[in-house]
Amino acid sequence: DTEVTQTPKHLVMGMTNKKSLKCEQHMGHRAMYWYKQKAKKPPELMFVYSYEKLSINESVPSRFSPECPNSSLLNLHLHALQPEDSALYLCASSHPGTGMGKLFFGSGTQLSVL
Amino acid sequence: GQQLNQSPQSMFIQEGEDVSMNCTSSSIFNTWLWYKQDPGEGPVLLIALYKAGELTSNGRLTAQFGITRKDSFLNISASIPSDVGIYFCAGPYNYGQNFVFGPGTRLSVLP
Repeated sequence: DTEVTQTPKHLVMGMTNKKSLKCEQHMGHRAMYWYKQKAKKPPELMFVYSYEKLSINESVPSRFSPECPNSSLLNLHLHALQPEDSALYLCASSHPGTGMGKLFFGSGTQLSVL
Repeated sequence: GQQLNQSPQSMFIQEGEDVSMNCTSSSIFNTWLWYKQDPGEGPVLLIALYKAGELTSNGRLTAQFGITRKDSFLNISASIPSDVGIYFCAGPYNYGQNFVFGPGTRLSVLP
């Protein structure tokens, strides 16, 4: 099983809304990632959790708040987003620390901020 | 920081033709990953390479780990319409905590 499951698939929210993106994997991976992807661009790293601890935060605005409740789950809480935050948000997982890991992606959440 | 380049940026080919694309870096990588992404979906891992000179196949796809460890190549034989998409190369760094992606090669297949 190489599946990373993301919900919801699509999300439309206003700039005053609070919403959450959810991600789940059951591959026993101990590193989980949030990426943001704009159209026709490669994925850009936002956050990395390694062994349930936030290990990398790529200077992401505080209106994005990640949470890793356990080794299988990853959430991204959204609040007071801007229209330029509209993008495909991808969750991914891997085995950390070996330098030889494979990164597996979910199918993404297409977010539109109005 | 780490940076990957891919060429070509885009290509239009006839169905049945073979395709070649490459990925280069100014830094050495110990792993090369190749992904395909369809619109609105997450990237799907096609092939992983771990050793300089390694040649690995996955159906009609063949990828090679360059001997300098600074490049990798992906070939698709006998292209079909479902090969359409963006192909990204990627490599891990920072002890495998992070992955850098190339800008992608957009493939279009004409019937």
